[in-house]
Amino acid sequence: GNSVTQMEGPVTLSEEAFLTINCTYTATGYPSLFWYVQYPGEGLQLLLKATKADDKGSNKGFEATYRKETTSFHLEKGSVQVSDSAVYFCALLQGGKLIFGQGTELSVKP
Amino acid sequence: EAGVAQSPRYKIIEKRQSVAFWCNPISGHATLYWYQQILGQGPKLLIQFQNNGVVDDSQLPKDRFSAERLKGVDSTLKIQPAKLEDSAVYLCASSLSGPLSYEQYFGPGTRLTVT
Repeated sequence: GNSVTQMEGPVTLSEEAFLTINCTYTATGYPSLFWYVQYPGEGLQLLLKATKADDKGSNKGFEATYRKETTSFHLEKGSVQVSDSAVYFCALLQGGKLIFGQGTELSVKP
Repeated sequence: EAGVAQSPRYKIIEKRQSVAFWCNPISGHATLYWYQQILGQGPKLLIQFQNNGVVDDSQLPKDRFSAERLKGVDSTLKIQPAKLEDSAVYLCASSLSGPLSYEQYFGPGTRLTVT
């Protein structure tokens, strides 16, 4: 069945460091791919999306590219801030159903 | 625009008791979802409504969980009787129908603790 696998957390970085959170998926066909973010005490928010192969989603300095050949959708940011501390979820949408990875907690230290 | 509203935000009950959660989606959103998020895991879809009809409830434990959306707007999720393993955050989300329906908007969730 369809599934999403994310790198294990927690990830701890210093401010202004480069961030990569790996995400790979298993699905039939061509699902849409998403990154959601959950800030402490808040609900899930859509961070970025890509609906077809080679699309690049971007928002708030974060980017992710839909790689069909490697079934991946890695999240990157060139310079993280303390305010980026949150839990990040990779997800795929297929058949109207969102399937989430287990989440990766990011902690950014000043 | 008001977001997805959920209540209560927190609930503590003993096992074998019953509990109900309420969700009011964004105005005009025809599709409503209930997810269960166990600590350390991603959200898992329990049930999806399109207007007042059930689209997918394949992962809803129907022996103890029930949900309704009688007028196609707000929804209630009930657990009766609760078990310890039901401790989780219950998230409600909504989306438009049609080509824009891939974007789901989530409420703040209800954190349930079963003791």
